[in-house]
Amino acid sequence: AQSVTQPDIHITVSEGASLELRCNYSYGATPYLFWYVQSPGQGLQLLLKYFSGDTLVQGIKGFEAEFKRSQSSFNLRKPSVHWSDAAEYFCAVGATDSWGKLQFGAGTQVVVTP
Amino acid sequence: EAGVVQSPRYKIIEKKQPVAFWCNPISGHNTLYWYRQNLGQGPELLIRYENEEAVDDSQLPKDRFSAERLKGVDSTLKIQPAELGDSAVYLCASSLITGANVLTFGAGSRLTVL
Repeated sequence: AQSVTQPDIHITVSEGASLELRCNYSYGATPYLFWYVQSPGQGLQLLLKYFSGDTLVQGIKGFEAEFKRSQSSFNLRKPSVHWSDAAEYFCAVGATDSWGKLQFGAGTQVVVTP
Repeated sequence: EAGVVQSPRYKIIEKKQPVAFWCNPISGHNTLYWYRQNLGQGPELLIRYENEEAVDDSQLPKDRFSAERLKGVDSTLKIQPAELGDSAVYLCASSLITGANVLTFGAGSRLTVL
């Protein structure tokens, strides 16, 4: 069975500083990998996805993520955070044989300080 | 284009009362999902439809939950009777069947059971 672990429940970062959110997954083959962001009272918005190919993927809002097969990781990064990046971030895994059944991590809450 | 529309956004009911949530997916998306997001957790799939057919409802508590997707467009998720543990955000999402797990989520319906 697939699983997703986001080790950090809560991260506080200063505006303008860099941000890295960790995600580890467990799956027998190469899964589809996603990062979603959820602002208060909003649904989940897709930041980026990895299906195959280049292991460094670019997303919206200046985010990028790197797939590392050897570490079963898909960490999300942003070089310089803005106050509007304060939100909850979810990593998700999609199985190639289970369409649409995304397994989500528990999320990481990001707080941005002035 | 219009996104995934859900209603109501908020619902407060007493336990043992019924409740229903409605979802209108993105036009042309033939796959529709209902996810439940408990407080402090990532979403979990309840049911997935391909057109009118429920192709994955293994996580739906069938004793009190029901769902339908008439004419392969709008969908309704019902809980009867509601229990305290049903308090959560119910998220609807849709995708193209060829969209390789790229789901677009609605804003969600937040249920509070007293």
